[in-house]
Amino acid sequence: GAGVSQSPRYKVAKRGQDVALRCDPISGHVSLFWYQQALGQGPEFLTYFQNEAQLDKSGLPSDRFFAERPEGSVSTLKIQRTQQEDSAVYLCASSLIEGPGLDEQFFGPGTRLTVL
Amino acid sequence: SQQGEEDPQALSIQEGENATMNCSYKTSINNLQWYRQNSGRGLVHLILIRSNEREKHSGRLRVTLDTSKKSSSLLITASRAADTASYFCATAEASGAGSYQLTFGKGTKLSVIP
Repeated sequence: GAGVSQSPRYKVAKRGQDVALRCDPISGHVSLFWYQQALGQGPEFLTYFQNEAQLDKSGLPSDRFFAERPEGSVSTLKIQRTQQEDSAVYLCASSLIEGPGLDEQFFGPGTRLTVL
Repeated sequence: SQQGEEDPQALSIQEGENATMNCSYKTSINNLQWYRQNSGRGLVHLILIRSNEREKHSGRLRVTLDTSKKSSSLLITASRAADTASYFCATAEASGAGSYQLTFGKGTKLSVIP
């Protein structure tokens, strides 16, 4: 079946612009996660949804970052007033069961964001 | 913040040799997972070992976990050029939000030379 998909794959934004990154998880997966991966580093947790409920947003770096999953499937990560330090690959992952970290996560290909 | 620390940061071996990567972490965990990332296939889950397990096998992969030393190792036997990738350990630790968070290390970059 289809895996996790993300769009766009690449995004170039001017500093100060708002961006929206989309994630389509695997159908039926309850849990959805967003990670930020800087060059040469491992992914860092941003936020976690169980169905439509955002249960953990402790990793969001500032109030410019906002995520939603209104119908419990597709999710959008929005970054307002982008800054150069926001440049990174944004990864989305989903897993079948509730409880982040308790089962394997399936990752999308990521969106590479470059802020000029 | 990143809890896991992989060692070495980079490893280069000949095809057919075994590759061993280590991971150390700091806090109590529910489980530890290993992932592989390359440009072709993105981040892919390899194996999960729970805190009450000591060793697990999957094909050419062998993972050990020593909770007393807070460390894990990933062994890839009979390596192939296709194993060239970055390997990350990720620990599932309790978060302040009442659930678990998956925390990744910085990774080991493995190069397998044909």
